[in-house]
Amino acid sequence: GAVVSQHPSRVICKSGTSVKIECRSLDFQATTMFWYRQFPKQSLMLMATSNEGSKATYEQGVEKDKFLINHASLTLSTLTVTSAHPEDSSFYICSARDPAGVRNTEAFFGQGTRLTVV
Amino acid sequence: GEDVEQSLFLSVREGDSSVINCTYTDSSSTYLYWYKQEPGAGLQLLTYIFSNMDMKQDQRLTVLLNKKDKHLSLRIADTQTGDSAIYFCAESLYGQNFVFGPGTRLSVLP
Repeated sequence: GAVVSQHPSRVICKSGTSVKIECRSLDFQATTMFWYRQFPKQSLMLMATSNEGSKATYEQGVEKDKFLINHASLTLSTLTVTSAHPEDSSFYICSARDPAGVRNTEAFFGQGTRLTVV
Repeated sequence: GEDVEQSLFLSVREGDSSVINCTYTDSSSTYLYWYKQEPGAGLQLLTYIFSNMDMKQDQRLTVLLNKKDKHLSLRIADTQTGDSAIYFCAESLYGQNFVFGPGTRLSVLP
């Protein structure tokens, strides 16, 4: 149990276009989902925390108009990178928590999305 | 703010034990975790320990926690080539506000 699926795993897009990344909790309800960005050989940087039905909370320095997060249901959160530029190229990872479940102290991670902007 | 530190690299020979160390600063952390990341993949939770525990063992994995020194370690017994990956230490407050370390890249030599 506690599977998080992230899609797509890889995407290449042209500069100026927008890309949507999906994060789904497959067998539990995730009231809270997190979006991270990981630069090569570095740790995860928390970008934002999304709560189902409310606005996401962005970390300092993260542009909310550029990284649009929607958490419309208890099993799906999306991250849209708008007007992507080459510097947005990175590995994006989502994680989800099930606060009501027995494993409520764990965070379950998606497989990650490698975004390359050309 | 909270900070989690790890050494960045570790090399061991196949069959030896690996010990990956981590230090953290937030004394209010309630859970400490070890995650494994293989190339191009997401993070896989290996194990975690509650802050009132000193040790947790799960098959080849042993976690030791020294709460006084805010030091966490992960020991992998009989390290195999499939254990080569990046290992992240993380802390949280009751499953919220995760803070990750920079990751330790474990290389297992034949």
